[in-house]
Amino acid sequence: AQTVTQSQPEMSVQEAETVTLSCTYDTSESNYYLFWYKQPPSRQMILVIRQEAYKQQNATENRFSVNFQKAAKSFSLKISDSQLGDTAMYFCAFMRQTGANNLFFGTGTRLTVIP
Amino acid sequence: DTAVSQTPKYLVTQMGNDKSIKCEQNLGHDTMYWYKQDSKKFLKIMFSYNNKELIINETVPNRFSPKSPDKAHLNLHINSLELGDSAVYFCASSQVYGRGQTYEQYFGPGTRLTVT
Repeated sequence: AQTVTQSQPEMSVQEAETVTLSCTYDTSESNYYLFWYKQPPSRQMILVIRQEAYKQQNATENRFSVNFQKAAKSFSLKISDSQLGDTAMYFCAFMRQTGANNLFFGTGTRLTVIP
Repeated sequence: DTAVSQTPKYLVTQMGNDKSIKCEQNLGHDTMYWYKQDSKKFLKIMFSYNNKELIINETVPNRFSPKSPDKAHLNLHINSLELGDSAVYFCASSQVYGRGQTYEQYFGPGTRLTVT
């Protein structure tokens, strides 16, 4: 079974600073995908960034980047130049590449950006 | 244009009632999902349909019955509602097979169900 662990229930960061959210996962699969989703107070689930396990290069989307360590089964999210609009719950998620392709979510990290 | 829509967004009902939540996607995707987010914000898959066929049926009570009239719609019907059913229910879709295959799932806005 796949499990996803987010060990930081809550974090805060000053506006314009950088913050890193942690995520580890457990799987016996060799091919899979990893995601970070953002859920602001509006409740909408928004895809922030994705990583294919077969790619060694870390994914980057504007101010968001990941540190993917496949051997360590670690997938952290770095947010640079934090903005007030980044305040949200952040969920790490895992998906198998073959078979049932539902998402397995972590328990989330509530991030607050302080002005 | 809304990609994945759900109705209603809020649903308040009494124990024992039967209710439905509708989901529609206009992305042309072949697979749709229902996820449940509990009061602690934990999200878990309930069902998955591919081209109207049930693919995933996690351990949920039989009172929950998904129905897919066509590949653009996946509705969730809940019988004999209980207090513990109170949660936010998300519909999502993705293209799993063939042309335009993507592993990204697009979520609807969620339906907050409150059972009193």
